[in-house]
Amino acid sequence: SQQGEEDPQALSIQEGENATMNCSYKTSINNLQWYRQNSGRGLVHLILIRSNEREKHSGRLRVTLDTSKKSSSLLITASRAADTASYFCATITNFGNEKLTFGTGTRLTIIP
Amino acid sequence: SAVISQKPSRDICQRGTSLTIQCQVDSQVTMMFWYRQQPGQSLTLIATANQGSEATYESGFVIDKFPISRPNLTFSTLTVSNMSPEDSSIYLCSASWALNQPQHFGDGTRLSIL
Repeated sequence: SQQGEEDPQALSIQEGENATMNCSYKTSINNLQWYRQNSGRGLVHLILIRSNEREKHSGRLRVTLDTSKKSSSLLITASRAADTASYFCATITNFGNEKLTFGTGTRLTIIP
Repeated sequence: SAVISQKPSRDICQRGTSLTIQCQVDSQVTMMFWYRQQPGQSLTLIATANQGSEATYESGFVIDKFPISRPNLTFSTLTVSNMSPEDSSIYLCSASWALNQPQHFGDGTRLSIL
């Protein structure tokens, strides 16, 4: 079953704009990860944020984590056509079963 | 990061037959996983491939239908047995060096059952 749900399901923006995707989850986590999947390809890991961290940056990516609200957001700044992909959040719980559980995903389209 | 090679990349099979998917990692890894993904959907974990022992299957997946091998720390196979149209999906292999660490994915096998 899905641990995370993402919002929005689909997002279209103009190149150069910022894109924000949100992820909500249900249970206590050890860490939350964001992945990108280009059409017809496997997933690529973007950022891992631990439960005791609140914000993390990597290049044009910014991830925030609010454990009190059980939510995370991924911000992509100055979007490019190459950012067109599906983005998934995934969580690992604290319950000893450290499998990665994926959210429903956001389909991002960057319009040139 | 690890490079994951998965093959075949796609196949079209007849119902009732079986297909074995191979996953090769370019370095030794602790953990290997198999997922299923319907086009446009999220990923569902099938099983964790354990080196030297039986795979650990998730609820809804059984060894008779999805036998998995992992003979060493760089290689695993997933067999989809006695296939039916409902098995048409994308099957993805991933690898990780440790629990709680990022996973690295192959490009998947696109399987269609006629």
